[in-house]
Amino acid sequence: GQNIDQPTEMTATEGAIVQINCTYQTSGFNGLFWYQQHAGEAPTFLSYNVLDGLEEKGRFSSFLSRSKGYSYLLLKELQMKDSASYLCAVTAGGSYIPTFGRGTSLIVHP
Amino acid sequence: DADVTQTPRNRITKTGKRIMLECSQTKGHDRMYWYRQDPGLGLQLIYYSFDVKDINKGEISDGYSVSRQAQAKFSLSLESAIPNQTALYFCATSDGASGSQETQYFGPGTRLLVL
Repeated sequence: GQNIDQPTEMTATEGAIVQINCTYQTSGFNGLFWYQQHAGEAPTFLSYNVLDGLEEKGRFSSFLSRSKGYSYLLLKELQMKDSASYLCAVTAGGSYIPTFGRGTSLIVHP
Repeated sequence: DADVTQTPRNRITKTGKRIMLECSQTKGHDRMYWYRQDPGLGLQLIYYSFDVKDINKGEISDGYSVSRQAQAKFSLSLESAIPNQTALYFCATSDGASGSQETQYFGPGTRLLVL
């Protein structure tokens, strides 16, 4: 099976930078996804990492270290609308079906 | 129009009743999934289907069944609902193959309450 760990909750200030970590233990790792989910809504895709390194996409960046089983999502210039849950999901093996972590609830305050 | 739709959006039912949740997609994807989400537990996979003739159990399939009526339609049934099946249910689709094509596209969710 897969073990995915992320902090339950984080708080940050509007305009600041926040880093949400995700660690995983799995065999046959394929790739790692980050999704954003606002309360009561569907998760939406943010990023996908398969190779080591940083992928930047506007205010959001995602980093992967395959050797360390570690990823982070970096959110810059935080806005109130970034208050949401951030889900880390790992795919492994031949089926490529993701296993989701429990999510990190990010609260952005003024 | 939304690419992945779910009906109903909200449902209240009683213990022992049979209910069906429906999912339709216009994305043309072969792969479809049903998840449930409980507070603090993340998304748990119930069933998935890679094409019309393929149905597979996920990690929490007990008490549930599914039907893949067409490429675009995947329904979830609770044969005899029980209170601990109260949850938010999501349908999702993906393109298949591998890598970023496994990005999942979620429907808006069905909030189910079993009394």
